Amino acid sequence: GENVEQHPSTLSVQEGDSAVIKCTYSDSASNYFPWYKQELGKRPQLIIDIRSNVGEKKDQRIAVTLNKTAKHFSLHITETQPEDSAVYFCAATRNYGGSQGNLIFGKGTKLSVKP
Amino acid sequence: NAGVTQTPKFQVLKTGQSMTLQCAQDMNHEYMSWYRQDPGMGLRLIHYSVGAGITDQGEVPNGYNVSRSTTEDFPLRLLSAAPSQTSVYFCASSDLGIPETQYFGPGTRLLVL
Repeated sequence: GENVEQHPSTLSVQEGDSAVIKCTYSDSASNYFPWYKQELGKRPQLIIDIRSNVGEKKDQRIAVTLNKTAKHFSLHITETQPEDSAVYFCAATRNYGGSQGNLIFGKGTKLSVKP
Repeated sequence: NAGVTQTPKFQVLKTGQSMTLQCAQDMNHEYMSWYRQDPGMGLRLIHYSVGAGITDQGEVPNGYNVSRSTTEDFPLRLLSAAPSQTSVYFCASSDLGIPETQYFGPGTRLLVL
């Protein structure tokens, strides 16, 4: 089955700096890679996702890159702000047509942005 | 739409007690799932369902039962609670037609003494 490794487990940056979180996956058939943000005491919320037919996707200060050959994908946050402080989870799954694949999550990265 | 709702928000149980965690969604999603979240362990899949009457096991199913009698509801039952089941439980749902976007409920924090 799929296995997702996420690094680092904790990350501290100064406000305005960039943050990068990396994940590797084991199943070459995985084709969907979402990223979730979880604030303290709240539910995980989808912030960005990427499919295997795309190498990079951007949404304002957030971007995700995918390297299918190496089986890893990364979350990039630029110009970090204190409100970016949260736990970030990557996940992987394979979806084909109307078939639902189960999300396999990494163990999370606690990002702290210092003012 | 209320989205995905869970009850209770917090529960304390004694070892050996049973209880049901409720999950409901009003988005007519076919796919529903239960995760547990423990410190440093991420989100681990307990059970899932791809439609009414269909359930299957996830990564950590032992000690839990589920049923799916309607599209809207997906309760999780703890048969005989153990301290190892102390965790935060999240229910999630998604549309099979758009399977990627999973919506999470607010979570239930469970403490087993």
